[in-house]
Amino acid sequence: GQQLNQSPQSMFIQEGEDVSMNCTSSSIFNTWLWYKQDPGEGPVLLIALYKAGELTSNGRLTAQFGITRKDSFLNISASIPSDVGIYFCAPRGNNNDMRFGAGTRLTVKP
Amino acid sequence: DVKVTQSSRYLVKRTGEKVFLECVQDMDHENMFWYRQDPGLGLRLIYFSYDVKMKEKGDIPEGYSVSREKKERFSLILESASTNQTSMYLCASSIGTSEYNEQFFGPGTRLTVL
Repeated sequence: GQQLNQSPQSMFIQEGEDVSMNCTSSSIFNTWLWYKQDPGEGPVLLIALYKAGELTSNGRLTAQFGITRKDSFLNISASIPSDVGIYFCAPRGNNNDMRFGAGTRLTVKP
Repeated sequence: DVKVTQSSRYLVKRTGEKVFLECVQDMDHENMFWYRQDPGLGLRLIYFSYDVKMKEKGDIPEGYSVSREKKERFSLILESASTNQTSMYLCASSIGTSEYNEQFFGPGTRLTVL
């Protein structure tokens, strides 16, 4: 079956550091979405990528849709305490194929 | 703003009880989804619905059923709760079925089955 790997599983960083996480898949997808889940809340869409090779920024966030359409990364620059949460990649394919990665739990120490 | 609400934030039930989890969205979205979230496993799709009275099985439908009698409401039913159904349950909705459509999530219901 399809495999979707998100890494790292967790990160403990100091405030001000940069963060990088990624997802890789055995399958090709048409869209890569990245969601963030704050503690005690549901996930919220952070950034969406619609084209292979696309690089998109949203404030301190940068995400890229891999050229092979099988991977994506999310970077956060100059982390702050409110970046704490769980980050999920969510690739989308044909025929309503919707997936979520296992999540990257981010802890930011002030 | 889209609002997805879930009937309870925390629920404690006993093994064998019938459990209803309710979800309501206020943006006239066609699609609604139920996921469970477990540490290290991410979000796994239980059931989804594209329209009133329509339902489709997701990746882990066993032990669950759903009901969509009205467009805005999607219920998840555990006919006979078991301890391995202790989890966080998340409801979501989206405007259409395209892979470009964002899903909007409720705050989740943390269910404990004793």
